[in-house]
Amino acid sequence: GQQVMQIPQYQHVQEGEDFTTYCNSSTTLSNIQWYKQRPGGHPVFLIQLVKSGEVKKQKRLTFQFGEAKKNSSLHITATQTTDVGTYFCAGKDSWGKLQFGAGTQVVVTP
Amino acid sequence: EAEVAQSPRYKITEKSQAVAFWCDPISGHATLYWYRQILGQGPELLVQFQDESVVDDSQLPKDRFSAERLKGVDSTLKIQPAELGDSAMYLCASSLSGSLAYEQYFGPGTRLTVT
Repeated sequence: GQQVMQIPQYQHVQEGEDFTTYCNSSTTLSNIQWYKQRPGGHPVFLIQLVKSGEVKKQKRLTFQFGEAKKNSSLHITATQTTDVGTYFCAGKDSWGKLQFGAGTQVVVTP
Repeated sequence: EAEVAQSPRYKITEKSQAVAFWCDPISGHATLYWYRQILGQGPELLVQFQDESVVDDSQLPKDRFSAERLKGVDSTLKIQPAELGDSAMYLCASSLSGSLAYEQYFGPGTRLTVT
């Protein structure tokens, strides 16, 4: 079945630094969504990517969908303490099944 | 802003007991999801409803778990009997439609501890 993997599992970042987290699927995806979960909170939708090679930006966050629609990345520039949390990708396959990755837990040091 | 409501927020139960969780989605959302999230992992889909119909329950342990959404609005997830391994966060989410990959809105979750 479909598997969605995220790396790294854990990211320790100095405030002001950039970092990237990656999402890889074992099958081709129809679309991919990204969610952020703050400590003690629930997942909150960030963005959806649908087209091959699509790039979307939200302020300091840049999301990219791979050409083969099997991988995605989230790049955060100038990390702030408000970026703390776990970032999940969720891929939907051609059968409409949505699967979440295990997430990348981000810790920011002031 | 409309939110997904869940209750209770916390539940402690002994193994072999029955437990039930309730979810009220955002008004007008046809699709409702129940997820289980174990600490350090991503949400795992248990069941998906489109209106009152189940469209995906392939990951639901049907020997002990059941879910219903009788009038296509609010939903109940039941576990009977609970086992120690069921300790987790149970999240409910809703979206306008499941087929068009609309964003999902999550509720605050029910933290279940089985002792």
